[in-house]
Amino acid sequence: GDSVTQMEGPVTLSEEAFLTINCTYTATGYPSLFWYVQYPGEGLQLLLKATKADDKGSNKGFEATYRKETTSFHLEKGSVQVSDSAVYFCALRSADMRFGAGTRLTVKP
Amino acid sequence: GAVVSQHPSRVICKSGTSVKIECRSLDFQATTMFWYRQFPKQSLMLMATSNEGSKATYEQGVEKDKFLINHASLTLSTLTVTSAHPEDSSFYICSALGLAGAGRISTDTQYFGPGTRLTVL
Repeated sequence: GDSVTQMEGPVTLSEEAFLTINCTYTATGYPSLFWYVQYPGEGLQLLLKATKADDKGSNKGFEATYRKETTSFHLEKGSVQVSDSAVYFCALRSADMRFGAGTRLTVKP
Repeated sequence: GAVVSQHPSRVICKSGTSVKIECRSLDFQATTMFWYRQFPKQSLMLMATSNEGSKATYEQGVEKDKFLINHASLTLSTLTVTSAHPEDSSFYICSALGLAGAGRISTDTQYFGPGTRLTVL
């Protein structure tokens, strides 16, 4: 069945460092891909999405490009802030929604 | 836009009691709502899919009689944890899928509520 694999955390970075969180997927069809962010004690917030190959989703300085050839949707940010500390979930939606295990990011001042 | 609320945000109850959690889409109609459970430092586990006016579809291993789901309208779904026990303590999160034609709401995106933390003593 469809699945999402994302890099294990936790990830700890210094402020202004470059961030990459890897995400790859397995799907039989053409899924939509998502990144959600979860701040402590809260639900999930949609960060960005892409619905077809080569689409780039972007929001709040985060970007991810839908790469069909490598079945990937890696999340990147050029300069992280302390406020970016959260858990990030990669997800796909085909017949239903599938989430990765989540990657905890901690950004230190 | 695309706001989903949950009530209560936090509940503590005694073992054996029932707890109802509400999930509302505040500014859009949702044909389908989902209920998830999240254990500490883990991903979301889908419990059930709820369609307005019909019975919920439960994932394998989720007890239908214990987790009662009602989706009475296009903006409200409820999850009732019956005869709660300490092992039911968890973070419960709902999400809603927008109705086609609902303007700026994307129909392939799930919009999540803030979650309800249930503690059963």
